[in-house]
Amino acid sequence: EGQLVESGGGLVEPGGSLRLSCAASGFSFNDAWMAWVRQSLGKGLEWVGRIKTTGTTEYAAPVRGRFTISRDDSKDVLYLQMNSLQIGDTAVYYCVRSLCGVDCPGYNWFDPWGQGTLVTVSS
Amino acid sequence: EVVLTQSPATLSLSPGERATLSCRASQSVSYQLVWYQQKPGQAPRLLIYDVSRRATGIPARFSGSGSGTDFTLTISSLEPEDFAVYYCQQRSDWMTFGQGTRLEIK
Repeated sequence: EGQLVESGGGLVEPGGSLRLSCAASGFSFNDAWMAWVRQSLGKGLEWVGRIKTTGTTEYAAPVRGRFTISRDDSKDVLYLQMNSLQIGDTAVYYCVRSLCGVDCPGYNWFDPWGQGTLVTVSS
Repeated sequence: EVVLTQSPATLSLSPGERATLSCRASQSVSYQLVWYQQKPGQAPRLLIYDVSRRATGIPARFSGSGSGTDFTLTISSLEPEDFAVYYCQQRSDWMTFGQGTRLEIK
């Protein structure tokens, strides 16, 4: 069913940048839509954005213009570049595979999930 | 944005009992409702998608029902490993999550 392993989280000051990586295995990565979902105490679970197999990306309003999702299909790796980080971006960030059914293309459910990586934005 | 409201916030039951968790949407999401389980220190795990379709490896004691704006996750007979937090998610209008129901041992 696949495995996802995130890395790159840590402590960063407001206004700073961070890049998360997610290594995928056990499924055909280049055929998969992928996404990032974050979880914070204050806001719960929140979809961040997704990337289709074509490389087309879409983002949630709170991160649009600051975050960039990319993929390297030769390495089976997903990335999340986060710029202009704000205190409200503090969360555990999960890498997820995005799935849909007979209504594809469309909106997604998520499976599997990585173990998550913690991003803390604080001065 | 579609807002999902889960109830109750906390449910206290004993092993062997039946659990009924609710998820209500602020507008119709048709059949596009998903359930996840999250245990402490772990990532969410997919349980059910599109109201009632169990994910691979999910036991038959988990079932989902509903349509439109009102949905239910039922666990027919609680096992010790079922005590966790459960989230619903809609995929009708982008993707949003409920705030979760904590299922705790009574």
